[in-house]
Amino acid sequence: EDQVTQSPEALRLQEGESSSLNCSYTVSGLRGLFWYRQDPGKGPEFLFTLYSAGEEKEKERLKATLTKKESFLHITAPKPEDSATYLCAGLGGATNKLIFGTGTLLAVQP
Amino acid sequence: GAVVSQHPSRVICKSGTSVKIECRSLDFQATTMFWYRQFPKQSLMLMATSNEGSKATYEQGVEKDKFLINHASLTLSTLTVTSAHPEDSSFYICSARTPGGSYEQYFGPGTRLTVT
Repeated sequence: EDQVTQSPEALRLQEGESSSLNCSYTVSGLRGLFWYRQDPGKGPEFLFTLYSAGEEKEKERLKATLTKKESFLHITAPKPEDSATYLCAGLGGATNKLIFGTGTLLAVQP
Repeated sequence: GAVVSQHPSRVICKSGTSVKIECRSLDFQATTMFWYRQFPKQSLMLMATSNEGSKATYEQGVEKDKFLINHASLTLSTLTVTSAHPEDSSFYICSARTPGGSYEQYFGPGTRLTVT
């Protein structure tokens, strides 16, 4: 069964304290690994898509990487406005549907 | 990035009435749209996949007669919650997949439904 697991469930950082969020996946025929940011009461905001192991993408303070078993979202020198829930999702080749993890709730304190 | 809108953002209705939620892709044509439901502090639960011009495909456990989905054009999908009950109160979010081979999926801002 296809599955996506995110850790930690919650993470509290001080402003400027870099860290990484983990997304482990077992998705048959993975077509892409997606990262989204979701603020309370809003829909997920697209961040990255990674398609193959070894691929990396960056956007401002965020950098996403992908291996054959997991993906990391690295946050460098975070700011309070980076506080949100970060969702990881794998697109199954057989189902053609996104399979979401439960998310990591990130809080960055000034 | 691609933009998806939803309307209304919030709706309150009485038990037994029906509510329609619209989802539009504003700057691209979407042959495939998706409807999700999200409970507080939980991840997104896929309800159905909507393909333009054909019947929606519902996930197991989702009542197709209760949650009517119509994808009549390449930029519009609608979800109608029929005979709503308090247990249907939730956050409903649509998404649209961009054309081509990127498989990128963009989400709308969501609709908060409260059934009294």
